[in-house]
Amino acid sequence: GAVVSQHPSRVICKSGTSVKIECRSLDFQATTMFWYRQFPKQSLMLMATSNEGSKATYEQGVEKDKFLINHASLTLSTLTVTSAHPEDSSFYICSASVSGYSGPQHFGDGTRLSIL
Amino acid sequence: DQQVKQNSPSLSVQEGRISILNCDYTNSMFDYFLWYKKYPAEGPTFLISISSIKDKNEDGRFTVFLNKSAKHLSLHIVPSQPGDSAVYFCAAWALNSGNTPLVFGKGTRLSVIA
Repeated sequence: GAVVSQHPSRVICKSGTSVKIECRSLDFQATTMFWYRQFPKQSLMLMATSNEGSKATYEQGVEKDKFLINHASLTLSTLTVTSAHPEDSSFYICSASVSGYSGPQHFGDGTRLSIL
Repeated sequence: DQQVKQNSPSLSVQEGRISILNCDYTNSMFDYFLWYKKYPAEGPTFLISISSIKDKNEDGRFTVFLNKSAKHLSLHIVPSQPGDSAVYFCAAWALNSGNTPLVFGKGTRLSVIA
């Protein structure tokens, strides 16, 4: 149980394109979803926390107008990287929790984003 | 300032031997610790956790030890198997401090050699 599906797994696109990444909890309802970013040889860095039906909470230094998060239902959160540039190239991973911060997090398989 | 540190980026161990992965933390508010395992092109998978009220938690071949006074934890894998080869992330949580996120270390790449 507790499967999180993240799509797409890989995106290669031109600079200036907006890219949407989906995160779905397949067999449970996720009240809270987390979006992480990982640069090579670095730790997973939390970008933002999204709670169903409310605005996402962004970590310091993360541009909310650049990284749009929508958590419209208990099983789906989306991250849109708007007008992506090469420096946005990274590995993005989502995780979902049944019970907010106090529950275990289940991770998706990540999205490798490459901006040319 | 990194609150969770995994100072060894990589570790190689012979199959059948013990693998010891180390993790240090600086924030004394952390009271729950987790280890995640990550294969290439996959998301992290939860492995084992420990609460700060314990100093040891065991699950099959995996044991996590916590030394609160030293702010240090370690993951022991015995015996190590080739399938254990992966990147292991240590994560810490201030669980009883309200809505706070997991803080991850940079990971240690374990290679188990047959």
